[in-house]
Amino acid sequence: DAGVTQSPTHLIKTRGQQVTLRCSPKSGHDTVSWYQQALGQGPQFIFQYYEEEERQRGNFPDRFSGHQFPNYSSELNVNALLLGDSALYLCASSPGGGSYGYTFGSGTRLTVV
Amino acid sequence: DQQVKQNSPSLSVQEGRISILNCDYTNSMFDYFLWYKKYPAEGPTFLISISSIKDKNEDGRFTVFLNKSAKHLSLHIVPSQPGDSAVYFCAAMYSGNTPLVFGKGTRLSVIA
Repeated sequence: DAGVTQSPTHLIKTRGQQVTLRCSPKSGHDTVSWYQQALGQGPQFIFQYYEEEERQRGNFPDRFSGHQFPNYSSELNVNALLLGDSALYLCASSPGGGSYGYTFGSGTRLTVV
Repeated sequence: DQQVKQNSPSLSVQEGRISILNCDYTNSMFDYFLWYKKYPAEGPTFLISISSIKDKNEDGRFTVFLNKSAKHLSLHIVPSQPGDSAVYFCAAMYSGNTPLVFGKGTRLSVIA
C-alpha cells in the first residue's frame, strides 16, 4: 500500500521564479494538507484541501496557492520566490470526516538561490 | 507566539535507559496531542497520541503522559535503543482534520 508520495525530491530555483510541488495522497485518503518546515523549526501549516477546495489556511501570503484534483492529488504553487522560501515542504493526507490520522510524505527540499 | 513548545533542542541518553521528552502548550482548546518521529530525508512518522480526556497512553516501549492543569505532556521511551535516535516533534490539534500545530522538535541521541 503506497503511502504519500511527493515530487520532486529536491529542487533549486532562482529568486523571483515560480515553483510547483506535487503530492499523491495515501490510498483511501481524500484530504491533503501542506506544511513548510524551515531549518531548525517544526512544520508550519500552509493550507488544507478537501473536495477540491481550500478548507483551511495558515498564516502564509497569497504567493502560496494550491489545487486539488478529482483523484485527490494536490499541487502547491509558490510565486515570486524569496530566499526565505527555502525549506522542506511536506504533504500530509488523511481520511475525511474528522480524522486524527495524518500520514506524511518524505517532502520536497526547495532551495531558492 | 508559539502555542506548542519543546524547550530542549537535544537530549542524549544511554542505550537501555529511559528517554523523557517534554512538551508544553498554551492553548487549552487543544483536544488531541501527538508525537511524531523524524529521520533525516524522511517525513514525520506518527508515534503515539493522546486525547485530552486521558492522562496516559501506552504503546509498547512508548508512553505519553498528559497533565492538563499544567498544559504539559511528556513522552517516555523505555528502554531506549540506538534506532530511536531521531528528531521528535510534539503536535496538537483542536479537533479532527484541523491543522497540526508543531513544536520545534527535540533531537534524541541514544548512545550504545
